[in-house]
Amino acid sequence: GAVVSQHPSWVICKSGTSVKIECRSLDFQATTMFWYRQFPKQSLMLMATSNEGSKATYEQGVEKDKFLINHASLTLSTLTVTSAHPEDSSFYICSARDPTLDRGSKNIQYFGAGTRLSVL
Amino acid sequence: AQSVSQHNHHVILSEAASLELGCNYSYGGTVNLFWYVQYPGQHLQLLLKYFSGDPLVKGIKGFEAEFIKSKFSFNLRKPSVQWSDTAEYFCAVNAPGRDDKIIFGKGTRLHILP
Repeated sequence: GAVVSQHPSWVICKSGTSVKIECRSLDFQATTMFWYRQFPKQSLMLMATSNEGSKATYEQGVEKDKFLINHASLTLSTLTVTSAHPEDSSFYICSARDPTLDRGSKNIQYFGAGTRLSVL
Repeated sequence: AQSVSQHNHHVILSEAASLELGCNYSYGGTVNLFWYVQYPGQHLQLLLKYFSGDPLVKGIKGFEAEFIKSKFSFNLRKPSVQWSDTAEYFCAVNAPGRDDKIIFGKGTRLHILP
């Protein structure tokens, strides 16, 4: 099945620094990837849709200058949390779709294992 | 915009009990519906999906869900749960004619007592 790898799984950083999280589709090419944020005991909140070769589409209320998304290849999207602050501490999850699948199956999202960000 | 409502936030059952987790969505058009499961310490996995056709869909590990269009519901069921079903379950909806996004419910934490 489709596999999505996310790295790192856990990162601790100092306030004011930037952190980059990678999301890779390992056995398929993903023209579209998604970035979510999950707060403790809450659902996944979609932050942005990452489109290969073009600008990401951000959800309302998500600061695009704060959360930089780059989708430079068909298998890699990166999320950079710039000038991180303690309130950015959260669990970030990426997902990807396989556009080559038939019909509705192309809407299935395959998830990475997530990255736990702790900002001190 | 689509939204998903899961009625039960935390469910505790004994092994062999029957399970039904409620899920309602709000969107008037064609939808794709999903149940994802997140086992402790693991990533989200697809449990089952509905795109079209038979409204009763069967997924992995003995789970099934029924799409009732008139009720905008997609409840998840399992006749006899096991301790290994302890996990968090998320209902999700996608409007294929609208955009690529999947909207998730807030999740139901299921705890099975051995």
